[in-house]
Amino acid sequence: DAGVTQSPTHLIKTRGQHVTLRCSPISGHKSVSWYQQVLGQGPQFIFQYYEKEERGRGNFPDRFSARQFPNYSSELNVNALLLGDSALYLCASSGDRDGPFTNYGYTFGSGTRLTVV
Amino acid sequence: AQKVTQAQTEISVVEKEDVTLDCVYETRDTTYYLFWYKQPPSGELVFLIRRNSFDEQNEISGRYSWNFQKSTSSFNFTITASQVVDSAVYFCALSEPPIGGGGNKLTFGTGTQLKVEL
Repeated sequence: DAGVTQSPTHLIKTRGQHVTLRCSPISGHKSVSWYQQVLGQGPQFIFQYYEKEERGRGNFPDRFSARQFPNYSSELNVNALLLGDSALYLCASSGDRDGPFTNYGYTFGSGTRLTVV
Repeated sequence: AQKVTQAQTEISVVEKEDVTLDCVYETRDTTYYLFWYKQPPSGELVFLIRRNSFDEQNEISGRYSWNFQKSTSSFNFTITASQVVDSAVYFCALSEPPIGGGGNKLTFGTGTQLKVEL
């Protein structure tokens, strides 16, 4: 079975541009969460979606948005990119709304490394 | 508010040495889960262990062992007879119960870079 897949793996953007990152969860998983990991730090929670509805949001500006599609894949969008948005963006999928708080597993993808210049 | 502290930024050991990675957490709840993840240079987070707050038994898996002590809010990770392949960043994380219809998340520490040299 395929794991969590993210695309693209690497991306370089210019300040002020917009970026869309994509995540496909493990087959059968209905919950997708997004994390931002700045170099030298631990991942920080951005969003969780379950059954196409937002279930949780971290402390990120409105420039960050996301959505989940009927096939449970998800997109993370970031507008008006800043240099500080340079990071590894990780997606995690889970079989249950309660994410890491269940026995359904919580699996991360390999991430998208975004560089803003 | 939940918080995870990994005070050790970087640890260097020689192969075959034992090494312990420290993790201290803060939470408002009596029910919670603690996790350890390994992040090799490739970037993906590799799950190592999940432990709920009601299970204070130490756990051993091969060369890995975990010591959970609620009295000191610590969940430390020991690698016995370390190997070069253990070199990675290790993260401790905490998950609290979901609230209402809301979802759930992991709160990570800042990680400990482990370097194992020959």
